[in-house]
Amino acid sequence: DAGVIQSPRHEVTEMGQEVTLRCKPISGHDYLFWYRQTMMRGLELLIYFNNNVPIDDSGMPEDRFSAKMPNASFSTLKIQPSEPRDSAVYFCASSPPGRLNTEAFFGQGTRLTVV
Amino acid sequence: SQQGEEDPQALSIQEGENATMNCSYKTSINNLQWYRQNSGRGLVHLILIRSNEREKHSGRLRVTLDTSKKSSSLLITASRAADTASYFCATAYSGGYQKVTFGTGTKLQVIP
Repeated sequence: DAGVIQSPRHEVTEMGQEVTLRCKPISGHDYLFWYRQTMMRGLELLIYFNNNVPIDDSGMPEDRFSAKMPNASFSTLKIQPSEPRDSAVYFCASSPPGRLNTEAFFGQGTRLTVV
Repeated sequence: SQQGEEDPQALSIQEGENATMNCSYKTSINNLQWYRQNSGRGLVHLILIRSNEREKHSGRLRVTLDTSKKSSSLLITASRAADTASYFCATAYSGGYQKVTFGTGTKLQVIP
């Protein structure tokens, strides 16, 4: 398996633009997580899905952030409009059935820079 | 915040030496995990220890858990240059809704 695949690896955008980050989880995994990593705040869980259904989005910073999982093999995290403080590395991770909170498999991350 | 804290924040050792990192947390847990992150990469799961376990081994890794002190340590024996990375503890809290939270990380440098 290729692991969790995220795209793009790097994104530079201007303030106010819409940004869409993409994730393909490991086949067969039914949990999908979106994390954000910054120097100041460390690694924060933004939202997670189980069987394509959002379970907990309490970590989503504000209404500018939204996430979808239209099917078991694809998820997006959208920021609209983007702001400089959204600059961070965004990670997608997935876990197999029955393995919630025991082991997560992370993608390589998307480094977002908002100028 | 329920976030765990690692200590030290940074550690530099010579190849062949042992590296010890510590993690402290605040509330009761179901399990504690350690992850490694190489520069510019995603996190990789290393080992999980459950709340009813006190010690666990995996290759050159040894993890201990002291629930009375709410702390854990990760020991890497006979370190190699390839062990250079950041190491994070992650705790799955018990009671009510479970959510894994990551610590602040220890940046380990192994000098060849």
